Amino acid sequence: DAGVIQSPRHEVTEMGQEVTLRCKPISGHDYLFWYRQTMMRGLELLIYFNNNVPIDDSGMPEDRFSAKMPNASFSTLKIQPSEPRDSAVYFCASSLALAGGPHEQYFGPGTRLTVT
Amino acid sequence: AQSVAQPEDQVNVAEGNPLTVKCTYSVSGNPYLFWYVQYPNRGLQFLLKYITGDNLVKGSYGFEAEFNKSQTSFHLKKPSALVSDSALYFCAVRDKNQAGTALIFGKGTTLSVSS
Repeated sequence: DAGVIQSPRHEVTEMGQEVTLRCKPISGHDYLFWYRQTMMRGLELLIYFNNNVPIDDSGMPEDRFSAKMPNASFSTLKIQPSEPRDSAVYFCASSLALAGGPHEQYFGPGTRLTVT
Repeated sequence: AQSVAQPEDQVNVAEGNPLTVKCTYSVSGNPYLFWYVQYPNRGLQFLLKYITGDNLVKGSYGFEAEFNKSQTSFHLKKPSALVSDSALYFCAVRDKNQAGTALIFGKGTTLSVSS
């Protein structure tokens, strides 16, 4: 398997623009996670899905952030409008289920977002 | 509530010496425990896990971890450190009895191995 695939790998945009990050999980995985990593705040869980259904979005910073998973092989994280404080590395991860919950997660290479 | 703590922001060891990266956890039930490593400009990479059974778990790149239920710890160890082991290490936990909850990650420990 190719692992978790994320695109783009780098994104530079101006404040106020819409940004869409994309993720293709490992085939057959039941869970999909979106994380954000910064030096200041470390690794933060934004939202996760089980069988394409959002389970917990309490980590989404504000209404400017939204995530969708229209099918088992694709998810998007959208920021509209973007702000400089959104600059971070965004990771997607997926996992199989074990005992009613997620098992070890496999991470994508990340998208480095810079908002100027 | 689930939580995990990595008490050291940074661990420094000399190449060839043994290394330990500490992790303690808190769950209401029994834990699933994980270690991940992150190299610069890369995603987190799964190293090893404890699910059940033998308390000593062996993983990738010669790493191992010991589950200690009485001390609620899951320290990562390696008998002989390599310079290439220098990276950011994350411990994570999930409560077996909390169906559907995500892994909780620690803040990470930077391991620096000097030659």
